[in-house]
Amino acid sequence: DTAVSQTPKYLVTQMGNDKSIKCEQNLGHDTMYWYKQDSKKFLKIMFSYNNKELIINETVPNRFSPKSPDKAHLNLHINSLELGDSAVYFCASRGPGEKLFFGSGTQLSVL
Amino acid sequence: QKEVEQNSGPLSVPEGAIASLNCTYSDRGSQSFFWYRQYSGKSPELIMFIYSNGDKEDGRFTAQLNKASQYVSLLIRDSQPSDSATYLCAVMAGGYQKVTFGIGTKLQVIP
Repeated sequence: DTAVSQTPKYLVTQMGNDKSIKCEQNLGHDTMYWYKQDSKKFLKIMFSYNNKELIINETVPNRFSPKSPDKAHLNLHINSLELGDSAVYFCASRGPGEKLFFGSGTQLSVL
Repeated sequence: QKEVEQNSGPLSVPEGAIASLNCTYSDRGSQSFFWYRQYSGKSPELIMFIYSNGDKEDGRFTAQLNKASQYVSLLIRDSQPSDSATYLCAVMAGGYQKVTFGIGTKLQVIP
């Protein structure tokens, strides 16, 4: 049983399209995150939700919109995709001791 | 100034040697400190965490924290080729417990 699962694993799309990435955790954690890892491997926080409430919103273009229907799910919708959005997007949940549990990542390629 | 700074490496050590990885952080209010390991193409996984000044040992890994110097380090004893990966330093700070990562140090253990 995967603790934090993301879909899809790979996403290839054209500039200007809209796409979504889904994340689910079965660990019972209250807090979930989206991170972006660019080509230089820098892992940058985008958003955090605590029990469906947005608590961290970094300087991210408003084309990115997270949604948390319940505390086990955190989805990321991206409008009008740009070349610079190409990256690996990781979902994570925070457990006891503030430890993060990561999903396997979604490799987004914008052509 | 970056919030969490690491030397990106690569750091090359011979098999059996001690690998020493370093990290500095800028927020004096930081509360918790983590080391994650990331193999190429995989998601980060937690290997060590430390909350108090001093050393914490777990098997071949030792984490060291010096809050006065705002410095965290990770020592890997008896390095193995399987330890070759990127090691990410992460720091938690703030009321919303934002977890910020360094750029990671790539470690290469030479057989």
